[in-house]
This record gives sequence, C-alpha cells and structure tokens, in this order.
Amino acid sequence: EVMLVESGGGLVKPGGSLKLSCAASGFTFSSYAMSWVRQTPEKRLEWVATISSGGSYTYYPDSVKGRFTISRDNAKNTLYLQMSSLRSEDTAMYYCARRALTGDYFDYWGQGTTLTVSS
Amino acid sequence: DIQMTQSPASLSASVGETVTITCRASENIYSYLAWYQQKQGKSPQLLVYNAKTLAEGVPSRFSGSGSGTQFSLKINSLQPEDFGSYYCQHHYGTPPTFGGGTKLEIK
Repeated sequence: EVMLVESGGGLVKPGGSLKLSCAASGFTFSSYAMSWVRQTPEKRLEWVATISSGGSYTYYPDSVKGRFTISRDNAKNTLYLQMSSLRSEDTAMYYCARRALTGDYFDYWGQGTTLTVSS
Repeated sequence: DIQMTQSPASLSASVGETVTITCRASENIYSYLAWYQQKQGKSPQLLVYNAKTLAEGVPSRFSGSGSGTQFSLKINSLQPEDFGSYYCQHHYGTPPTFGGGTKLEIK
C-alpha cells in the first residue's frame, strides 16, 4: 500500500522558515518524481514544487521560487520542503503527492501537514 | 499560466441522481486533464486522468469526457460516498493548475 506521511507543519511568524518532511512507503520511491501541493484556507489547490526521481531537477511556480526548496533522500525514502521568507499567503495545508509516471498529475497524496504564518 | 474554471461551484443532489461537473481551460490542453475527489477532512484522490481514463479502483459510475478546452465529469447513480468536493487539474506541462472546485452536497 502506498503511504505518504507528512510532518513538520506548525505556526511560524512572517519572514520565518520551516522544513516539511514526507516519509514514503509501499512503492519504489526512487522511481517517481514527487511534488508538494498546498490547499489554502479557501480550499484552493496550488502546486508548490516538483523534484525528479533522482533529485537532479526541481520545478517551482513563481509564487515560491527563490523561497522554497524541494529535496529528497532516496536512501531514506523521504521528501522535504524547505520554506523560508514565509508570508501569510503561504498559510495552507501542505500535501506530499506522488507524480504519476505517465503525466503531471498526482496519483497518491499524503494526509497533509498544516502551516500557519502569522504574527 | 493556464486557468481552469469549474462550474458549478456547488451542487445539491440526491442519492441515485446523475450529475455533471464541467471544467474549462483557458487554452487548448488536448486531453491532459485530471479529476480529483476530496472528502471532508481528507486529502484529494485521483479519479480520472487523460480526460477519460479512470484511476485504479474508481467505480464505473464515474466517467470523464472532453478535449481541448471543455471537459466534464459525470457521476451516474450517486452513492452516499460520492458527496464531497471535486477538482479538475490540467496536466499539460508546468505549472499544473487546478480548478476552484465543486462541492457536491446531499439534497
């Protein structure tokens, strides 16, 4: 069974930093690109980052480029999202998601971890 | 970025009814469209990809159609477990973007 378990969310002040983790199991982690997708309090879904299976390539939307860094440790089956210069608009539920092998859609999602950015 | 527009934003229906949710892309995305279901307090689950291919384990009462800029998700004979929110997402390159969602409620 594919499982993705996020952790690391919390309350952070504007301008602060936080690192999320996602522990993967039930599939060959190193064979899949992985992504982070967030859901705002208004329930809007936003893609945040994608990393290739080997970790060499990363992709971000303009809204987080330069502030967020996605990384992975294939030996530990773990995905990360380092977030810095956090803003109130980054407040969301952050989901770890497996990118499908056949396209830029997400075939499995974790249960999410919540980030709140507030003073 | 490609904008995805869903309608309606909310929908009330009864068990046994058939409903259709539509999604419009701001430009041609061919058949690169996915649908997700999200139940209250849970994460999204993939229902359909490539506009009409059902994900593994998805009941056949769900069907996707469309191409280009106009797409739809049809649910035949609604079951109690089908109530929740539905989102479309284009997967025609980066960035992938999502529709605003359709909340399907019990009438």
